Amino acid sequence: DAGVIQSPRHEVTEMGQEVTLRCKPISGHNSLFWYRQTMMRGLELLIYFNNNVPIDDSGMPEDRFSAKMPNASFSTLKIQPSEPRDSAVYFCASSLASGYNEQFFGPGTRLTVL
Amino acid sequence: AQSVTQPDIHITVSEGASLELRCNYSYGATPYLFWYVQSPGQGLQLLLKYFSGDTLVQGIKGFEAEFKRSQSSFNLRKPSVHWSDAAEYFCAVGSPSGNTPLVFGKGTRLSVIA
Repeated sequence: DAGVIQSPRHEVTEMGQEVTLRCKPISGHNSLFWYRQTMMRGLELLIYFNNNVPIDDSGMPEDRFSAKMPNASFSTLKIQPSEPRDSAVYFCASSLASGYNEQFFGPGTRLTVL
Repeated sequence: AQSVTQPDIHITVSEGASLELRCNYSYGATPYLFWYVQSPGQGLQLLLKYFSGDTLVQGIKGFEAEFKRSQSSFNLRKPSVHWSDAAEYFCAVGSPSGNTPLVFGKGTRLSVIA
């Protein structure tokens, strides 16, 4: 199993640009989670999906952030326009809803907004 | 509300010494508890988990954790630390359902000295 796949691994962009982060969950998993990790705030849940449906997006910081899951094998997190304070590591995780809630994490995308 | 507290931000131990990382949780029902490890530049890897049964659980890399309901604690231990154990450790709590997010502590950074 390839595990959770995230791309790109690193992204450097300028303020105001659109950023799209991608995630491919483990095949067969039906829950997907987007987290953001910063030194100040630690690991924060942004949004999660069950069976491709967004369940809770209360962690999304602003309207500049949006996430989609068009099918069971792909999700995107988009920031438009990006700001320097969005610089962080963004993790995607997936789990099997009928399992014991063990979440499997991807390697993360390190985003730097200049 | 669910919450996890890791009182120690940073711990330094000598190689070969024993280790205990503290974790306290607040949860309204029977908690499902996890310890994850994050090496520099990597995603989170599951070390061990507790769902029910024996309160002492064994994990990978020689780690173990003990669930103490009366103290709302789930401390991580290792009898002899190796230099490769230097990493960030996260305790998390969740519900029995696989389709709800985990709540993570802020993490404890472990440094290992010779």
